[in-house]
Amino acid sequence: GAVVSQHPSWVICKSGTSVKIECRSLDFQATTMFWYRQFPKQSLMLMATSNEGSKATYEQGVEKDKFLINHASLTLSTLTVTSAHPEDSSFYICSGRGQGITEAFFGQGTRLTVV
Amino acid sequence: GQNIDQPTEMTATEGAIVQINCTYQTSGFNGLFWYQQHAGEAPTFLSYNVLDGLEEKGRFSSFLSRSKGYSYLLLKELQMKDSASYLCAVLDSNYQLIWGAGTKLIIKP
Repeated sequence: GAVVSQHPSWVICKSGTSVKIECRSLDFQATTMFWYRQFPKQSLMLMATSNEGSKATYEQGVEKDKFLINHASLTLSTLTVTSAHPEDSSFYICSGRGQGITEAFFGQGTRLTVV
Repeated sequence: GQNIDQPTEMTATEGAIVQINCTYQTSGFNGLFWYQQHAGEAPTFLSYNVLDGLEEKGRFSSFLSRSKGYSYLLLKELQMKDSASYLCAVLDSNYQLIWGAGTKLIIKP
């Protein structure tokens, strides 16, 4: 299958700082990128959907000013957690899908710990 | 509303067979996925069914009945490395993935 490379794999940051997570589609053009958050022992929770060149669509309850998503190219999308707080500590996963393709390919995930 | 149901946890013995069921109620249907997720890792793709019937892929098989809103994942010759969570997800009419909560599968020697 296609590859989505997500970095960093894990990050620890201080409360109040910002963290950027990158997802790159290596061998396909990800026209749509999904960003998920997963708390321990829970399923994936969709945070937002972004189409290349457009503003992201955020799910209800997700603060768009706190979780900044950029999808400026067909191979790169970023999620920036601004002014991080301990409750933002979670596993963040991106998933990219190409035009006309039903399957979405996952990045490796980023374990964020805010101290 | 949209709903995906699957058992929270299952236990099976190494070498045996286990069937993980998934029932769904969604606005439209464009296919059903099964993913495997080991603790602390991202999900990995196992199968995709869009037509009724059984799809076999090595030790894993997936079945779909669209009229019943039902799917199952069948794992044969279980190995210890199969201990993981198995996520059922449906692609709805807007091509959005609706996720089940996952089934934690515990394999015992």
